[in-house]
Amino acid sequence: DGGITQSPKYLFRKEGQNVTLSCEQNLNHDAMYWYRQDPGQGLRLIYYSQIVNDFQKGDIAEGYSVSREKKESFPLTVTSAQKNPTAFYLCATRDSNSYGYTFGSGTRLTVV
Amino acid sequence: GESVGLHLPTLSVQEGDNSIINCAYSNSASDYFIWYKQESGKGPQFIIDIRSNMDKRQGQRVTVLLNKTVKHLSLQIAATQPGDSAVYFCAGAWGSYIPTFGRGTSLIVHP
Repeated sequence: DGGITQSPKYLFRKEGQNVTLSCEQNLNHDAMYWYRQDPGQGLRLIYYSQIVNDFQKGDIAEGYSVSREKKESFPLTVTSAQKNPTAFYLCATRDSNSYGYTFGSGTRLTVV
Repeated sequence: GESVGLHLPTLSVQEGDNSIINCAYSNSASDYFIWYKQESGKGPQFIIDIRSNMDKRQGQRVTVLLNKTVKHLSLQIAATQPGDSAVYFCAGAWGSYIPTFGRGTSLIVHP
């Protein structure tokens, strides 16, 4: 089945630690996106990539980094510079002929 | 700036009733609107979309209405079922492929 796989489902980070969230897709979509979701809030865009080896900052990119070395993969690193990283992180892809997103199942990150 | 918002954070209905979830937007140049359903602990799922040149679009048990005059859209769910309980988001796209998402309305269906 085609789809998006986010891993892990739950992740715990210690203070001062970098962690990487995985997002893999086999939909052959060019565009990939990372969103952050906090309770009672809408989705906020962290980073996006329209094509391999290129990515753009979203609205809340500070404290995060990404790479897009392969079409299928768009990992997100939450660095120690992100002071409030506890949130639900969603990866999405988009077909180039559509506005609609396909979302992964999310990773819940908690600082301990 | 651009914004998309929902009127009510929570909507409670009885099973079998029709549900109406509302959304307002600020940018009159919007091209496209999408409704997503998000169940607890999962990613959002596409429900239905509508382009700005349309007023109404119907799917299976769902209808989206777009009123460009007052910059308002709504999602109507017919014969609401317990499985419809979720958070519903509207999203608007303004000439780019980066939608702006509303905060979501939590639909609670009572048996």
